Parts: sequence; structure tokens; C-alpha cells
Amino acid sequence: DTGVSQDPRHKITKRGQNVTFRCDPISEHNRLYWYRQTLGQGPEFLTYFQNEAQLEKSRLLSDRFSAERPKGSFSTLEIQRTEQGDSAMYLCASSPSWPPGQFFGPGTRLTVL
Amino acid sequence: AQSVTQLGSHVSVSEGALVLLRCNYSSSVPPYLFWYVQYPNQGLQLLLKYTTGATLVKGINGFEAEFKKSETSFHLTKPSAHMSDAAEYFCAVSDPARTGGGADGLTFGKGTHLIIQP
Repeated sequence: DTGVSQDPRHKITKRGQNVTFRCDPISEHNRLYWYRQTLGQGPEFLTYFQNEAQLEKSRLLSDRFSAERPKGSFSTLEIQRTEQGDSAMYLCASSPSWPPGQFFGPGTRLTVL
Repeated sequence: AQSVTQLGSHVSVSEGALVLLRCNYSSSVPPYLFWYVQYPNQGLQLLLKYTTGATLVKGINGFEAEFKKSETSFHLTKPSAHMSDAAEYFCAVSDPARTGGGADGLTFGKGTHLIIQP
């Protein structure tokens, strides 16, 4: 399978705990994106990497959120001091430089109790 | 700022009937346009996209969409609905004038849930 993979698929945590999600993009894609999707809504853009450089961050990405892509391959998204409002599906996508069009992974569903 | 409006949070059609899902966008420049489909508990799958050139684009599973600049629309159609088409459909836009030709984050609509009646 050469699609985008995400781990874990589900995460249940208690409020105040830290969580980390991993995304492995399609191998030849140099661009990687993180989105958040809540029930009944479309995905909302969080951040974007080109290779290892984080080029754009949404205002949705509060100081408790941090994302890395240290070697330009996989990426991690960490949420510190989780809040119940962080409960959502976190989606990762990747794309080549051209043509436009992002390919999404299955997502990590986070539940904060 | 870009925005996407999908008219109708739920659309119900009979099996074999025409599917029409509406998408209108607001953008300062002609954007790149996308339709994605999402099945329950899964990620999004790209159905089709418009970047440049022919305004009628064909995608997977028999879907097509037409970019109409004058109407700022990108409606999704399929001539004959199948039960397997039941899913959530999202329209999305990106701004080619921003970082690296459409490499910025996509702006999504709220989605349309397509229901197929037997």
C-alpha cells in the first residue's frame, strides 16, 4: 500500500495529557498537510510542510499544537495539555509539487475525556 | 479570503437518477477546485479537480464537474446514481496565487451528505 498512513487510528486521552500523532506521506510527495475535522464539518487546514520546512500555520494552530517533519519524510503532530475541544479527526495529506491535488490518509480520531 | 458554499447539507436521489451537488466559491482569483468523497470513518478521496484548461472535468466513478467562472460555481454531477455513491462529498478550493502554485491549505465546504434511495 503506497497511500498516506496515519498512526494511531484512534486515541482516547484524559484532559491535560499530551498526545502525538504520526503521518507517513506518499514517498515521492514533498508536501505534507495537517487538517482537523469535527463532526458535520469539512476539514480545516492546520499547517503545511514543504520538505522539512513548515511554510504555513493556520490561526487554528494554538501554542499547544506543534508539528514537525524533521527529515522531510514522516511528520508528527503533538498536542500538549489536551482540552475537550481538541476532540476531532486529525487528517494528514500529501501532494507532489505539481499537479495540485492532495491525497489524504485515514485520519486519527482523538477523544479527550 | 476564500470561502466555499455547498448548497444542501443532505441530498437524496433515487438509484439511477441524476446526481447534482452544488458548490459555489468566493475567491479573488480563479482558484483551483476540487471535489472529495468521504466514506464513514475514512479519509477523503479525490474525485476530480480543475486547475486550468477545459472547464468540464471528468473524475472517478462516473462523476464530472464544470467550472463556470461567471457563476463562481463548480457543481458535481453523475448521470445515474448507484447505491455505492452514498457518502459525504466535499468541495474545496485553493489559491494558485499563494505559496507555490496552489500548495497552500485547501478551504473546504461543510459537505453534502448524499443519500441514495433504492
